[in-house]
Amino acid sequence: DGGITQSPKYLFRKEGQNVTLSCEQNLNHDAMYWYRQDPGQGLRLIYYSQIVNDFQKGDIAEGYSVSREKKESFPLTVTSAQKNPTAFYLCASSTDVTYEQYFGPGTRLTVT
Amino acid sequence: KQEVTQIPAALSVPEGENLVLNCSFTDSAIYNLQWFRQDPGKGLTSLLLIQSSQREQTSGRLNASLDKSSGRSTLYIAASQPGDSATYLCAVRRRGSRLTFGEGTQLTVNP
Repeated sequence: DGGITQSPKYLFRKEGQNVTLSCEQNLNHDAMYWYRQDPGQGLRLIYYSQIVNDFQKGDIAEGYSVSREKKESFPLTVTSAQKNPTAFYLCASSTDVTYEQYFGPGTRLTVT
Repeated sequence: KQEVTQIPAALSVPEGENLVLNCSFTDSAIYNLQWFRQDPGKGLTSLLLIQSSQREQTSGRLNASLDKSSGRSTLYIAASQPGDSATYLCAVRRRGSRLTFGEGTQLTVNP
């Protein structure tokens, strides 16, 4: 089955700890994205990568970091510098011609 | 800067009704527009993608139209069912750029 997997589904961390969210795709897409979703605020782009070993900041990159060492994988690290990390995080990838985006199931992060 | 607006924010209809969800965008220089569905606590599911050169796309009971010149798209759902209850989001993309999302319309179809 082709698709995007995100793990874990739920993640709990203490304030001050860094945490890494996993995103893997087997769709052979070049581009991958990380979004954050908060109630009443819609989706906001954190980082995106159009090719391996390259990535760009989105609208709310502060307090986050990413890497893109493999085409299939685009992990997101939420650092202790992110002031309000509790949110629903969505990973996506897109096709190379039409740029149609496909999403993973999401990871809900709770920081206390 | 592209802005995407979806009206209404919430809609409740009886089962069997045909309905229209609206999406408007401020910059008509788009590459394509994509409609998604999101169930509570889940990721987004792509419903329809309309290229800028197209006027509409159909999939089953869903029909999406695009009028670039007026900056509008509509998602028509025929013969609605309780299983259609979800949040529907539209998003627009300029070539080589990122998607800009609307905030969605929360649809409830009552049995």
